[in-house]
Amino acid sequence: NAGVTQTPKFQVLKTGQSMTLQCAQDMNHEYMSWYRQDPGMGLRLIHYSVGAGITDQGEVPNGYNVSRSTTEDFPLRLLSAAPSQTSVYFCASSYSGVTEAFFGQGTRLTVV
Amino acid sequence: KQEVTQIPAALSVPEGENLVLNCSFTDSAIYNLQWFRQDPGKGLTSLLLIQSSQREQTSGRLNASLDKSSGRSTLYIAASQPGDSATYLCAGHAGGTSYGKLTFGQGTILTVHP
Repeated sequence: NAGVTQTPKFQVLKTGQSMTLQCAQDMNHEYMSWYRQDPGMGLRLIHYSVGAGITDQGEVPNGYNVSRSTTEDFPLRLLSAAPSQTSVYFCASSYSGVTEAFFGQGTRLTVV
Repeated sequence: KQEVTQIPAALSVPEGENLVLNCSFTDSAIYNLQWFRQDPGKGLTSLLLIQSSQREQTSGRLNASLDKSSGRSTLYIAASQPGDSATYLCAGHAGGTSYGKLTFGQGTILTVHP
């Protein structure tokens, strides 16, 4: 079972570059979300989606864009990378917003 | 704003011990509570989900309880093994206007030594 798949696993960007973190799930889950994990800050919600075509902001949305054109995919776009966006990014999915959440293996991003 | 606290921050025990990890939350309107395990450099693995209508949930050597009135959840690990060494995270599922948002604790780093 693939579950939640994130690509790439590692990425180094220069300040100002843009990129897209990919997330795909094969469980037909409606709810998908992106978190970032930083030492001392824990996991914080960036953006989430309750279904295809519907997205909303989480706790730390600035500098990130999302879209949800299909149930399976929920990409996260960094518009102009900054060193403060150095972090580990996790994508999660669940059947609904209050059912068991499943996480991907993460993308470790470094912005220099 | 929901805040989740996990105690202790780190725990080191010899193999075979039974142990308890604690999770407390400030907003009793929490919907469900989920426990995760995270190995170094890896993603989060779901261990147990306790629904708001339940008081506890069991999976193998793991037992998690939820007391919404006191704002507490505990994860009990029986007969600990070195393979249980990891960071354990609890997270509250919010309902209402914060629907779907998971609020995480900082985690408990568990080391089980042979």
